[in-house]
Amino acid sequence: GENVEQHPSTLSVQEGDSAVIKCTYSDSASNYFPWYKQELGKRPQLIIDIRSNVGEKKDQRIAVTLNKTAKHFSLHITETQPEDSAVYFCAAKYYGGATNKLIFGTGTLLAVQP
Amino acid sequence: NAGVTQTPKFRILKIGQSMTLQCTQDMNHNYMYWYRQDPGMGLKLIYYSVGAGITDKGEVPNGYNVSRSTTEDFPLRLELAAPSQTSVYFCASSPQGMNTEAFFGQGTRLTVV
Repeated sequence: GENVEQHPSTLSVQEGDSAVIKCTYSDSASNYFPWYKQELGKRPQLIIDIRSNVGEKKDQRIAVTLNKTAKHFSLHITETQPEDSAVYFCAAKYYGGATNKLIFGTGTLLAVQP
Repeated sequence: NAGVTQTPKFRILKIGQSMTLQCTQDMNHNYMYWYRQDPGMGLKLIYYSVGAGITDKGEVPNGYNVSRSTTEDFPLRLELAAPSQTSVYFCASSPQGMNTEAFFGQGTRLTVV
């Protein structure tokens, strides 16, 4: 079935360094790839997304890249700050006829050390 | 603007009891989802719906049932609760379309003892 793998499961960086989280998906029919941030005890919230016809998207310190051939997509956070500490989830949307599944990766706990 | 509202926020159930987790959205979204999040783990899709009267299984549907009689509401029913169903449950909704953001409710923390 559909599957989204996410690595690493935990990531610790120094403040000001960059962080990269990688995901792979199994269904080539996927065409929408959002990233969510979940702070402790709170609901997931969208931080950035990318569509299948785009290779890269940037929003201030956050960027996403997509390689459809390899079925890989990545989140890049530059100049990390302590408030970036959270769990990050990638997801892939499988769209086909009446189906519309949004499948999540297993999450990455990012810790930014001051 | 309420968005996605889940009730209750917390619940303790005894093994074998049943309950319904409520989810309602006021954004007129066609798509709705139920996820469970076990401690330190990711979000697993239980059931989803693409519109009123249409539901389908996700990754982990066993032990759960859903219905979608209106666009606004998407309740999740647990029959014969088991300790393995202890989790945080999130409901989400999104507009119709392939490339649209999902909005999450605040979650329901369920403990089965």
